[in-house]
Amino acid sequence: NAGVTQTPKFQVLKTGQSMTLQCAQDMNHNSMYWYRQDPGMGLRLIYYSASEGTTDKGEVPNGYNVSRLNKREFSLRLESAAPSQTSVYFCASSGTLAGGRNEQFFGPGTRLTVL
Amino acid sequence: DAKTTQPTSMDCAEGRAANLPCNHSTISGNEYVYWYRQIHSQGPQYIIHGLKNNETNEMASLIITEDRKSSTLILPHATLRDTAVYYCIVRVGYKLSFGAGTTVTVRA
Repeated sequence: NAGVTQTPKFQVLKTGQSMTLQCAQDMNHNSMYWYRQDPGMGLRLIYYSASEGTTDKGEVPNGYNVSRLNKREFSLRLESAAPSQTSVYFCASSGTLAGGRNEQFFGPGTRLTVL
Repeated sequence: DAKTTQPTSMDCAEGRAANLPCNHSTISGNEYVYWYRQIHSQGPQYIIHGLKNNETNEMASLIITEDRKSSTLILPHATLRDTAVYYCIVRVGYKLSFGAGTTVTVRA
């Protein structure tokens, strides 16, 4: 199993450009998440999808849109990139396990720079 | 959401136990305490979680006080590969709220 995969690994954009970050998981998880991590800080939740067909805003949703394409895939779109969106973006997925365990599995991240 | 407080950083000698404290004084009765770590900008990795009882797995032990207002993560025999940022999180529903964590440096 590949776990959680993200593409691309690195991206440089100019202000105003758009792009979509792709995420896929092969663990049959219901829930998927997008986080961003700025230098020296913890992760902040952008959007999440509790199950296929649903999405909800997290802590910092402004400037982003998401699509839960199917159970495996959850994409994050920047319609008009801004320098403030320079960050590392992590995708994660989770499924409910025994004992209340709802472990999130994280992808390797996409390092985005907006000039 | 219940907030957590952790020390900014700590050092540990290789081979010794590392004890990482966390305060979560506003935790509710049905909220779990989770610990994750992040090694050198990789995606965070789950370590352990607990509700009321102490827990142990192959990576670590989690000690939760009786009043649940604080907890301690114990890495029993720290190695250089345990150098990472450790996050103590109180899980609310599906969400994990990451603070700044504790930067743990294991020294030879």
